[in-house]
Amino acid sequence: AQKITQTQPGMFVQEKEAVTLDCTYDTSDQSYGLFWYKQPSSGEMIFLIYQGSYDEQNATEGRYSLNFQKARKSANLVISASQLGDSAMYFCAMRSNNAGNMLTFGGGTRLMVKP
Amino acid sequence: GAVVSQHPSWVICKSGTSVKIECRSLDFQATTMFWYRQFPKQSLMLMATSNEGSKATYEQGVEKDKFLINHASLTLSTLTVTSAHPEDSSFYICSAIRLGGPNQPQHFGDGTRLSIL
Repeated sequence: AQKITQTQPGMFVQEKEAVTLDCTYDTSDQSYGLFWYKQPSSGEMIFLIYQGSYDEQNATEGRYSLNFQKARKSANLVISASQLGDSAMYFCAMRSNNAGNMLTFGGGTRLMVKP
Repeated sequence: GAVVSQHPSWVICKSGTSVKIECRSLDFQATTMFWYRQFPKQSLMLMATSNEGSKATYEQGVEKDKFLINHASLTLSTLTVTSAHPEDSSFYICSAIRLGGPNQPQHFGDGTRLSIL
């Protein structure tokens, strides 16, 4: 069975500062992918960044980077230079190649950016 | 731009009504689509996997006779909430995967807010 844990229900960050959203996962599979999605109050799910289990380098996409520590089974999302528009729910998700294309989601972290 | 379109965005209807929600992949073929349900301040809960040309695979605890899924073409899956009741009120969201490797994310529709009076 797969499990994603996001231990921070809510976080505040000052505008222009960096913030790290935690994500740990549990799987017995060797091949898997890790995803982060952003969900604004309007409800749509926006794909942010992907990390493959065999990727040697941490993924980066603009202001988003993924701090992947495979031995610790963690895949934390780092948002640099926070903007007011970053206020949203953030979900970490995992897809195991042995489970088809199904995604397992964490409970989410609500990020609030203060001006 | 959006690669998955979901319609309608909002539905308010009376108890006992059946409601159909459509999910379309706009510029790619999706042999598999997923339907999720999300309660306020909670994570997405997978309801079922929709397979083109075959029966959907439902997650444990999801009533297949209540939530009818039809994946009649490679770009369209529909979820019908039959005889809806107030407890069915929720946010329903679909997703699809563009084939191309394990790094392809699920692309989500914008979701449907269903309110049953």
